[in-house]
Amino acid sequence: EAGVAQSPRYKIIEKRQSVAFWCNPISGHATLYWYQQILGQGPKLLIQFQNNGVVDDSQLPKDRFSAERLKGVDSTLKIQPAKLEDSAVYLCASSLNRGVDGYTFGSGTRLTVV
Amino acid sequence: AQSVTQLDSQVPVFEEAPVELRCNYSSSVSVYLFWYVQYPNQGLQLLLKYLSGSTLVKGINGFEAEFNKSQTSFHLRKPSVHISDTAEYFCAVSEGSNYQLIWGAGTKLIIKP
Repeated sequence: EAGVAQSPRYKIIEKRQSVAFWCNPISGHATLYWYQQILGQGPKLLIQFQNNGVVDDSQLPKDRFSAERLKGVDSTLKIQPAKLEDSAVYLCASSLNRGVDGYTFGSGTRLTVV
Repeated sequence: AQSVTQLDSQVPVFEEAPVELRCNYSSSVSVYLFWYVQYPNQGLQLLLKYLSGSTLVKGINGFEAEFNKSQTSFHLRKPSVHISDTAEYFCAVSEGSNYQLIWGAGTKLIIKP
């Protein structure tokens, strides 16, 4: 089966600019996650979707981050305006059964804010 | 709240030697346990998981892990490492009805030739 697709792979922007990341999960996976992974740390959950509904966005900095999954398939994560501390790898993952059997991750988008 | 501790941030080991990466978690209830591997500039890949049943779990690439409920541990082992095992390894625990993963900080496995 095709894996979780993410784009772009790399992005460099200046602070205060905006950026968007795209994720296409594995077909049939109802649960989709966005994670932020800062260098040297474990992943931090930003938002979890079940189909097109938000299950948990408690750690999403809502003043600058937004995410949507309009048709319950693809998802976009946006940052506006970006700060230097947003430099990280943004990982998308999907799961079939709310993650009981584990997640499948995409390759991630490495964001550098200068 | 649930927490996961990976006791070593880095583990250097010679090629073909055995290795153990340690993981402890805090929970008084049933949990699901996972090990993921992250190769340089890649996403995370599931190595193995414990959901129920046998406490010895075998995964991909020759890795295995043992669930020890009394010690709340889930240590990862491989009898003989290869240079291609160079990566960062993350232990994770699933909690709650949403089965969200709680992650350890990761252990970098460094293989010395």
